[in-house]
Amino acid sequence: AQKVTQAQTEISVVEKEDVTLDCVYETRDTTYYLFWYKQPPSGELVFLIRRNSFDEQNEISGRYSWNFQKSTSSFNFTITASQVVDSAVYFCALSEAQKDTGRRALTFGSGTRLQVQP
Amino acid sequence: DVKVTQSSRYLVKRTGEKVFLECVQDMDHENMFWYRQDPGLGLRLIYFSYDVKMKEKGDIPEGYSVSREKKERFSLILESASTNQTSMYLCASSLRDGTDTQYFGPGTRLTVL
Repeated sequence: AQKVTQAQTEISVVEKEDVTLDCVYETRDTTYYLFWYKQPPSGELVFLIRRNSFDEQNEISGRYSWNFQKSTSSFNFTITASQVVDSAVYFCALSEAQKDTGRRALTFGSGTRLQVQP
Repeated sequence: DVKVTQSSRYLVKRTGEKVFLECVQDMDHENMFWYRQDPGLGLRLIYFSYDVKMKEKGDIPEGYSVSREKKERFSLILESASTNQTSMYLCASSLRDGTDTQYFGPGTRLTVL
């Protein structure tokens, strides 16, 4: 079973619209981290946010906000008043201990491509 | 700021060639990672290293090996490149501080003909 699911492959919005990117995860760990990364056309993944499994408070950073709900295993990302510069692929990721070694590693979703039209 | 650099942005190789992809980080991070990224599959972990000379297999290690002789440098080796290894390769590093936050390099787009 996929551990991190980003069901939206591609989303297209017009500038100034709000958009929510969905992320659903699956883990047996009680301690884990969730992440969002942005990959602009240049290719480099940019770290946006990390949440730990014990902190369900929503977070807002400028036009970005994140909604973490353990009850539904979701960690959704909303961009308010989208701009053309928000066009990118966005990845959700889960950090948990590996079953065999106990080492921690990230598992990524397949990504959501966001196109913001002017 | 964390800086992760990769030796090439674009690389074209022929089937059967030995290929070296180099990654260097300048923030004294203990952990380093190699991923490949393919459309619709997201990022998949190839190998990672938690210390100098240490390596562990990720989800798709077949056809790859790695080397970490110095803390700041982590190399990915394709012993005999094949066309199905055409992909974007991303290197990342992180501190051993329990937060698991990884910082990525710009990526190397490898084409194997």
